[in-house]
Amino acid sequence: NAGVTQTPKFQVLKTGQSMTLQCAQDMNHNSMYWYRQDPGMGLRLIYYSASEGTTDKGEVPNGYNVSRLNKREFSLRLESAAPSQTSVYFCASSRENLSGANVLTFGAGSRLTVL
Amino acid sequence: KNQVEQSPQSLIILEGKNCTLQCNYTVSPFSNLRWYKQDTGRGPVSLTIMTFSENTKSNGRYTATLDADTKQSSLHITASQLSDSASYICVVIRYSGAGSYQLTFGKGTKLSVIP
Repeated sequence: NAGVTQTPKFQVLKTGQSMTLQCAQDMNHNSMYWYRQDPGMGLRLIYYSASEGTTDKGEVPNGYNVSRLNKREFSLRLESAAPSQTSVYFCASSRENLSGANVLTFGAGSRLTVL
Repeated sequence: KNQVEQSPQSLIILEGKNCTLQCNYTVSPFSNLRWYKQDTGRGPVSLTIMTFSENTKSNGRYTATLDADTKQSSLHITASQLSDSASYICVVIRYSGAGSYQLTFGKGTKLSVIP
């Protein structure tokens, strides 16, 4: 029972390089999310997808793009990485759009360093 | 402004002792409150969900309380174990209209249990 799988776990980029973080879930969840976690700050929502074919901006979307490839997969792309994007990125999913009972299931995280 | 404040920032306790973590919030309108446990290098994992009408909820050695009037929640850990060493994150969900919900994450309390 894999849950939410993120790749890669670690990545070092130079400023201006691009990369894509991959996320897949095997729980048949409709909603998927990308968060970033920085020291001394709470998790912040970058983008989310309430259902296959839809994506919406979260709290900190600048510098990122997303693709909901199918129900299972939700990728996060950095087109031109900046040092401010050094962070730990978490993908999460939930059965439905967040409400009183639905619980977020998180992946293990992807640690990205931009030099 | 919707905020979640957790205290203390960090805590060191001896194995076998009890501890209580605090969460104060200004999020409105309130839908529910969740406590997550995040082990080092891992994604957060849900411990409890507290709805408006619930005052206390237990999950093994973890007991969460909620006072919706004072907008405070606590997480009490009984007979701590080394495996309880982790960050504990308080998350408050508010209804943002049109069937949508928003999460506000606290910065977490880092608990270290030592032998």
